[in-house]
Formats: sequence, C-alpha cells, structure tokens
Amino acid sequence: EAEVAQSPRYKITEKSQAVAFWCDPISGHATLYWYRQILGQGPELLVQFQDESVVDDSQLPKDRFSAERLKGVDSTLKIQPAELGDSAMYLCASSSPGTGAYEQYFGPGTRLTVT
Amino acid sequence: DQQVKQNSPSLSVQEGRISILNCDYTNSMFDYFLWYKKYPAEGPTFLISISSIKDKNEDGRFTVFLNKSAKHLSLHIVPSQPGDSAVYFCAAVPGSRNDMRFGAGTRLTVKP
Repeated sequence: EAEVAQSPRYKITEKSQAVAFWCDPISGHATLYWYRQILGQGPELLVQFQDESVVDDSQLPKDRFSAERLKGVDSTLKIQPAELGDSAMYLCASSSPGTGAYEQYFGPGTRLTVT
Repeated sequence: DQQVKQNSPSLSVQEGRISILNCDYTNSMFDYFLWYKKYPAEGPTFLISISSIKDKNEDGRFTVFLNKSAKHLSLHIVPSQPGDSAVYFCAAVPGSRNDMRFGAGTRLTVKP
C-alpha cells in the first residue's frame, strides 16, 4: 500500500540552529500539505502545495519557516533559526481528487525537540 | 480561533460496548466532515467522512451522525474493540477549498 514518507522521524536540535524535514507524498498525489501538531492539539496547516505551487501559506511563520516543492513531487520544510516553541510533531500529508473528497493521507511525522 | 472543538480529551469504554465521540463546530461554511484515527508514533489515518447533505454515514462498526442545526457531529463505534484504542480527531472542510480544520482530539481507551 502506498504511503507518505517522512524523514527524519525524530530530530533534536538546539535553539538558533537550522533544521529541515523531508516528505515524499504518495505517487501521483498533486496536493501536498505540511502540518504542525503541538502536544494536546490537533494538526494545524502550515502550507499547502498544488504541484510545485504554493496554494496557502497564510499560517506559515515566514520569518523563520520556508517550504519548497521544486519538481512538484517531494518537499522540504525548513526552520531557521529554531526556537523552543517550535517543538512539535511536523506532519506531511498528500491528496488527490481521485482518492475521495477531501481525504488526506498522512505520513508518520517528524518529532522535533528544540533545546 | 478554534472552529472545531472536541470537548472530551479522553473516553474509556468496556470492550463490546458503544463508544460515542463528539465534535462541535462554529463555522457554518464547513460542508464536509471527517474523522481520523491516530496511533502513537504514526500519522493520522482516515476513518470515515460525511457530507453536509447527509445526516448519517455508516461503515461497518463506525457510524458518523451530523446535526447541522446544532453544528454537532458524533462518531459511534459499535461494538468497541481494544484495537480501537487511539486518539480520534474530528476535522471539517469548507466547500470552497481543502482547508481542513482539526479538533484537539479525544483519546479513546477500550478496556478488555
């Protein structure tokens, strides 16, 4: 069964350092999402791509976060510099109109700890 | 602003009994609702959904009910099994775009 891949699964970094996460969506899924999930809360959308274009990045803290999906396939989310409040689970999801209305398929996430 | 609310952080039920998970929303523009299940160290997985033109959708042991006038939906699991123990997220989408909003989740524990 096709899955969304994410790496690394866990990342510990010191504040003010740079960190990057990678996501490979399900093959053929044109839409890719990055979410942040803080412990005890639901996922919150950071950025949405349609192919290589950003559709929605209104909730992305652009002073320190950046995201790219250069060839419209895999994607990278970067934080520079990391802050203590960035400690969270970062989830990637993908979807395709053919997979069912609005259903998104999630990867296992990257657990980030900023010390 | 929290547009999707799950007011019960946890729920414990006995195996074989019914589990009822509740969700409320405030945005009347939402017209599609989903439930996701999340096990530890895994991403959320889609469970069941319902369109606003319906008031019930059933898939095996899982049934979702929608009350639009009350802006309330619920997930019923009958009978509950220990493998159902997980965190359940309610999510809602406005019709115009795939801007999914999640509740905070309810941790369900099904005791053998």
